[in-house]
Amino acid sequence: AQSVTQLGSHVSVSEGALVLLRCNYSSSVPPYLFWYVQYPNQGLQLLLKYTSAATLVKGINGFEAEFKKSETSFHLTKPSAHMSDAAEYFCAVISNSGYSTLTFGKGTMLLVSP
Amino acid sequence: NAGVTQTPKFQVLKTGQSMTLQCAQDMNHNSMYWYRQDPGMGLRLIYYSASEGTTDKGEVPNGYNVSRLNKREFSLRLESAAPSQTSVYFCASRTPSYNSPLHFGNGTRLTVT
Repeated sequence: AQSVTQLGSHVSVSEGALVLLRCNYSSSVPPYLFWYVQYPNQGLQLLLKYTSAATLVKGINGFEAEFKKSETSFHLTKPSAHMSDAAEYFCAVISNSGYSTLTFGKGTMLLVSP
Repeated sequence: NAGVTQTPKFQVLKTGQSMTLQCAQDMNHNSMYWYRQDPGMGLRLIYYSASEGTTDKGEVPNGYNVSRLNKREFSLRLESAAPSQTSVYFCASRTPSYNSPLHFGNGTRLTVT
């Protein structure tokens, strides 16, 4: 079964610093990967998705992620953190059996300090 | 533009009580899902319905039942609530293709005492 691992349950950065949230996948075939963001007391919102068209994927709010097959990674980055980026971020992979379900990582809470 | 609507937003139950969480989507999606979210556990799939008329178990189905009422609506029922079912429940929908993302509701926060 497909799975993703997010390294670090909490990541702290200063406003204006680089944001790097890590996600590694386990898959024997090319996966389809997603990043979601969850603000407090809200549902999850799609940030970006990888579908093999390009290895560097740009998403909303200035975030992007790079698919690296050699490292089985799909890390999320943003050059300069803003206070409004403080939220929980989830990496997810779609099943390769009928593409019917998504499996989520355990999430990384991003804390941004002034 | 409602998207995915869940009711209720909050609920408190006593152990052994039953309740149904309601979910409706207006995006004409074929597939619908119920997840639960617990601290440190991410989101875990309870049940899903790949298309109208079908339902399948996910990772944590015990203690739950579902009904796909029609293409728009997918309900989750707790027949005899237990404290271990205290959680935030999310409904989601999508089209069943390889690159189609999930669209989420805002969740139901359930406490079982």
